[in-house]
Amino acid sequence: EVQLVQSGAEVKKPGESVMISCKGSGYTFTSYWIAWVRQMPGKGLEWMGIIFPGDSETRYSPSFQGHVTISADKSISTAYLQWNSLKASDTAMYFCARRGRLHDMKWFDPWGQGTLVTVSS
Amino acid sequence: QSALTQPASVSGSPGQSITISCTGTISDVGDYEFVSWYQQYPGKAPRLLIYDVSKRSSGVSNRFSGSKSANSASLTISGLQDEDEADYYCCSYADSTNWVFGGGTKLTVL
Repeated sequence: EVQLVQSGAEVKKPGESVMISCKGSGYTFTSYWIAWVRQMPGKGLEWMGIIFPGDSETRYSPSFQGHVTISADKSISTAYLQWNSLKASDTAMYFCARRGRLHDMKWFDPWGQGTLVTVSS
Repeated sequence: QSALTQPASVSGSPGQSITISCTGTISDVGDYEFVSWYQQYPGKAPRLLIYDVSKRSSGVSNRFSGSKSANSASLTISGLQDEDEADYYCCSYADSTNWVFGGGTKLTVL
């Protein structure tokens, strides 16, 4: 079974750093892109960026470029989303999702269960 | 890149059909056949329903169908059931900004 399992909820203070993870299993991790999607409380989905674990090629939405870092460790089939200086407005649920393997497979399936990041002083 | 435009809410009675619209631009929905739709229950992860405008994901009921015309896409749910009550999101590939989601539509089954 193809699965993405995300790390647990985080509670942080403004200015702190955090890294959340997304571990893939049941498929060849290095052959599929992994995307990150934000969902602020009571709001819709926002595409943040995507990484190809095979060579770590990464692309960011202009809205998130420079504020987060996406990375991957293919040796342990895990993708990461990292902040160096959190803001209260980063409070949200974050989902990872696998993109189709081939160039023209531009959908996301499956999704991780989500990681809630709460930033509060 | 602005979010795709969806109605905030739609409703229908069991057995009826409803359609959720998703309006983009010539830079996203209008330029690619890469529209997908996702269903999300409260507190749960999104689930892929439709990809490439009209193809159903594995295990998805044939009551769900998708289409596209110019800069707008649509998701139609026929034979509404109580279990269809959820939030629905469209998503389009958008090249330079890669992907863009719609604002989401809350479906209420009356």
